[in-house]
Amino acid sequence: DAKTTQPTSMDCAEGRAANLPCNHSTISGNEYVYWYRQIHSQGPQYIIHGLKNNETNEMASLIITEDRKSSTLILPHATLRDTAVYYCIVRVASRGTYKYIFGTGTRLKVLA
Amino acid sequence: GAVVSQHPSRVICKSGTSVKIECRSLDFQATTMFWYRQFPKQSLMLMATSNEGSKATYEQGVEKDKFLINHASLTLSTLTVTSAHPEDSSFYICSARGGLPVTEQFFGPGTRLTVL
Repeated sequence: DAKTTQPTSMDCAEGRAANLPCNHSTISGNEYVYWYRQIHSQGPQYIIHGLKNNETNEMASLIITEDRKSSTLILPHATLRDTAVYYCIVRVASRGTYKYIFGTGTRLKVLA
Repeated sequence: GAVVSQHPSRVICKSGTSVKIECRSLDFQATTMFWYRQFPKQSLMLMATSNEGSKATYEQGVEKDKFLINHASLTLSTLTVTSAHPEDSSFYICSARGGLPVTEQFFGPGTRLTVL
């Protein structure tokens, strides 16, 4: 029951902005979009989340289209340490709680 | 803040034995904990959701008698893989979520299980 699709991999030059797209065309009105990243053999790290407004924090910006069918995670100045797998996640209500449905992830490689 | 630990980080066991993995929230009370499994080069798949003091809710296709989950306190959940077989070899990751207003899950570092 995958709810998101992402490109398998992307490269980005160090110091440039990395723009990671995600399609979630079947998202429901009250389902949030979350982004995490996973560096090899570690647990995922929270980046940002949003519902319908654009969001920004110290790590990244999240741009959600008006119809909410897609979003883009922006790392404004990518560094080598940003090399990781980035997961676009839809948070769904399930049996009295909320659970994450992970996408397949985008493997971002930041090049020196 | 919001640190989740797992123990052990790596375990190797013989086929047929049981393995217990602990997940702890170190600096917050976790009302809900989640267990995921990740095979090499694949995404995380949710196995089960547990609330403190309640029975775990398992995802479709996950055998509850094979993957025993106990969430006895607000800071500890355990996953026991019973009668482990080589196909159970995987990376097991837990996450924890506290109460509102924080809504995100915080993930542990994962446990690499290898069954010989």
